[in-house]
Amino acid sequence: RKEVEQDPGPFNVPEGATVAFNCTYSNSASQSFFWYRQDCRKEPKLLMSVYSSGNEDGRFTAQLNRASQYISLLIRDSKLSDSATYLCVVNVHEKLTFGTGTRLTIIP
Amino acid sequence: DTGVSQDPRHKITKRGQNVTFRCDPISEHNRLYWYRQTLGQGPEFLTYFQNEAQLEKSRLLSDRFSAERPKGSFSTLEIQRTEQGDSAMYLCASSSPQAWETQYFGPGTRLLVL
Repeated sequence: RKEVEQDPGPFNVPEGATVAFNCTYSNSASQSFFWYRQDCRKEPKLLMSVYSSGNEDGRFTAQLNRASQYISLLIRDSKLSDSATYLCVVNVHEKLTFGTGTRLTIIP
Repeated sequence: DTGVSQDPRHKITKRGQNVTFRCDPISEHNRLYWYRQTLGQGPEFLTYFQNEAQLEKSRLLSDRFSAERPKGSFSTLEIQRTEQGDSAMYLCASSSPQAWETQYFGPGTRLLVL
């Protein structure tokens, strides 16, 4: 079983829609959690950290459920510029482990 | 540009040749990481340094791979006797002592082994 699992997609979503990504992780010793964004043929960039209390940054909301070992990302009012691959990332023993990523395409 | 830089950006080599990649981290960052990313996959951890000390190496890092960070600043990743399976994007990232989890990635070196 992979340490971090994500639905690879692709998700093709009309502009303005709400889209949700899910991710599960296998190591209960995981200490911290993140979503990174990666544009085509570019490097990953930190989108946001994920906390149990949930956190929001503009149109983006991230949530962590430690009991279920489940992480989510919600994008509201999607924009064309949101098209990218979203990587779920988990810190285990001071090492970041990345999921395979979920590819999102926003359709005009 | 004060971000992480990598050189070269692209490398095409023949099987069996040696290649070396360089990474220059953000200047005040003491941690430096190497990852490998293949098509359709997320980055996979290879190794990392804190200052000049190499603290961990992944099982993915075979004997043909070696990384150095001799003065705690830039780092090099060498692959000896390259194989076609080494074709990938090699990403470098750095982080500061206060926030090691926030890793800033360089643009990567794309390696193609023919």
